[in-house]
Amino acid sequence: DSGVTQTPKHLITATGQRVTLRCSPRSGDLSVYWYQQSLDQGLQFLIQYYNGEERAKGNILERFSAQQFPDLHSELNLSSLELGDSALYFCASSVAVGTSAASGELFFGEGSRLTVL
Amino acid sequence: AQKITQTQPGMFVQEKEAVTLDCTYDTSDPSYGLFWYKQPSSGEMIFLIYQGSYDQQNATEGRYSLNFQKARKSANLVISASQLGDSAMYFCAMRENSGGGADGLTFGKGTHLIIQP
Repeated sequence: DSGVTQTPKHLITATGQRVTLRCSPRSGDLSVYWYQQSLDQGLQFLIQYYNGEERAKGNILERFSAQQFPDLHSELNLSSLELGDSALYFCASSVAVGTSAASGELFFGEGSRLTVL
Repeated sequence: AQKITQTQPGMFVQEKEAVTLDCTYDTSDPSYGLFWYKQPSSGEMIFLIYQGSYDQQNATEGRYSLNFQKARKSANLVISASQLGDSAMYFCAMRENSGGGADGLTFGKGTHLIIQP
């Protein structure tokens, strides 16, 4: 158990709909990361939050948004869903590494598997 | 250009044999970290081992070791005495000190390892 909790584990919805994925990081971790894993694109970094503020953006679509709340949990909102958004969405957390690149593994949740029909 | 390259999409290995999973990386940052993760069929991402760019010795964690060749920009994972439970996807990842405070990981496409009895 990594200590990172993601809900829901599975989600099936229709095109055009909106969903919210939730993540609770490990106790004490200030950084939260969202990744999308699909068969054709592999693991793609979407966005990072640190202590409530957006820190880095990756390949996140404009239809997607995220936030981190004062209690450090994070939500990823996916709207106007398309078939191609079907994927496994991971949340990960880490201790604050600041600008140091050479330490701090990411702890991943079990993922939320989104299926868009 | 890809930052992380894993050239082996799939590998079959006999149980109890050692296996080497290849990973090459591309960065101009002097400070970076290299990580290996395992993803079994259940989907979770499990951290295996970490190597810092300034570490003098190759990292080891139980049956896992990292063959770090800095000049070649290579960070191969070696699993000794493979077990059936080692069958999984394996991802190499890198964290760069790219500035701006972003410290997420960039992942390779992965290697699907199958251990045969």
